[in-house]
Amino acid sequence: DVVLTQTPLSSPVTLGQPASMSCRSSQSLVHSDGNTYLSWLHQRPRQPPRLLIYKISNRFSGVPDRFSGSGAGTDFTLRISRVEPEDVGIYFCMQATEFPLTFGGGTKVEI
Amino acid sequence: QVQLVESGGGVVQPRRSLRLSCAASGFTFIDFAMHWFRQAPGKGLEWVALISYDASNKKYGDSVKGRFSISRDDSKNTLYLQMNSLQPDDTAVYYCVRDPETTALGWSGGFAIWGQGTMVIVSS
Repeated sequence: DVVLTQTPLSSPVTLGQPASMSCRSSQSLVHSDGNTYLSWLHQRPRQPPRLLIYKISNRFSGVPDRFSGSGAGTDFTLRISRVEPEDVGIYFCMQATEFPLTFGGGTKVEI
Repeated sequence: QVQLVESGGGVVQPRRSLRLSCAASGFTFIDFAMHWFRQAPGKGLEWVALISYDASNKKYGDSVKGRFSISRDDSKNTLYLQMNSLQPDDTAVYYCVRDPETTALGWSGGFAIWGQGTMVIVSS
């Protein structure tokens, strides 16, 4: 199975300041079709996850442009250019390149 | 609007069974594969099962293989998860999730449509 390792586990942030987090895969996430199915989701307490980024760097509809994703192969990064109060919660990376679909352990962002 | 509503969760004793349902609306159900994911209290996310749009292909995570069964009733726009031989480690919020869309640019791979979840507690 693909193991996704997220760092840091917890990230204290300052409102208005940038934040970033990492997701490292145990193997390349490049699919045989040439795409890399690595996405980022955000979860607030007692809520289902919400999709932010898909295929490494594509922002989902309605996601603010302060969120950006980058990376390739096995190393990926999510950046928030200026943290807003609603950005607190847990961020998960997820791979859909192969089954079983797997998630990273999450990075908790707190003010 | 696109909506997934899970039901059927509750408290169940170990080794008993439970069936979860997921009512879909706002999209053409028969066009999409569907998944179940779960999240144990205070833990991360785990993929549980997939059923293809036409039910011809089903896949399961190792932790539930042989015990859980995914199915769908397209006439009712409903997804199911039959859970047998439940164990305390199956305690979790279970989410019904729609497979990502395929557009002219291909399959997106981004799981955007999630239900609110239904809680299953396995305890004696």
